[in-house]
Amino acid sequence: QKEVEQNSGPLSVPEGAIASLNCTYSDRGSQSFFWYRQYSGKSPELIMFIYSNGDKEDGRFTAQLNKASQYVSLLIRDSQPSDSATYLCAVNSYTGGFKTIFGAGTRLFVKA
Amino acid sequence: DAGVTQSPTHLIKTRGQQVTLRCSPKSGHDTVSWYQQALGQGPQFIFQYYEEEERQRGNFPDRFSGHQFPNYSSELNVNALLLGDSALYLCASSSYLAGGEETQYFGPGTRLLVL
Repeated sequence: QKEVEQNSGPLSVPEGAIASLNCTYSDRGSQSFFWYRQYSGKSPELIMFIYSNGDKEDGRFTAQLNKASQYVSLLIRDSQPSDSATYLCAVNSYTGGFKTIFGAGTRLFVKA
Repeated sequence: DAGVTQSPTHLIKTRGQQVTLRCSPKSGHDTVSWYQQALGQGPQFIFQYYEEEERQRGNFPDRFSGHQFPNYSSELNVNALLLGDSALYLCASSSYLAGGEETQYFGPGTRLLVL
């Protein structure tokens, strides 16, 4: 089992729809969770972070965390073609020493 | 406010050579982490530096080494390059003293091609 798993996609949604991206992690000692957006050929750009169970909203983005289920998600409302990118889930854990583990990413296509 | 910078942007080397990549953290940040990102994969943690010491290391061989300078900038050195070392090398900075060590900001990366 991979430490951080994401559906590789591609996930295709029409413009204006809600895109839902999911991530599961294996280390129950994980304490903080991040979503990054990465355009082709570019470096990851931080979108949101979440530490506590529940929802956290920032503009069109909502991160959801369920530590009991070891699940974190990102919702993108009113998706735009400019949202087309790879979305990386990252998990910080202190088990055995601090480390950040990334998933392989989900490719999102927003069709105009 | 300057973000994270990296140099060079691109590099071509041959097998067996050595390479040094450089990173300057975001202003106010004191911690630098290095990642390797192969095509189609997520970034893989190489190591993290704080106070000029390696704090944590990922599952990378000793051919990968690093250094952090008093001004918090950092270098990543890779010896005896292999074809499989071809990747995008990312530097991320964060602030341990400010309690924000967990939130990392990435530089533009250095794309290394080993022939």
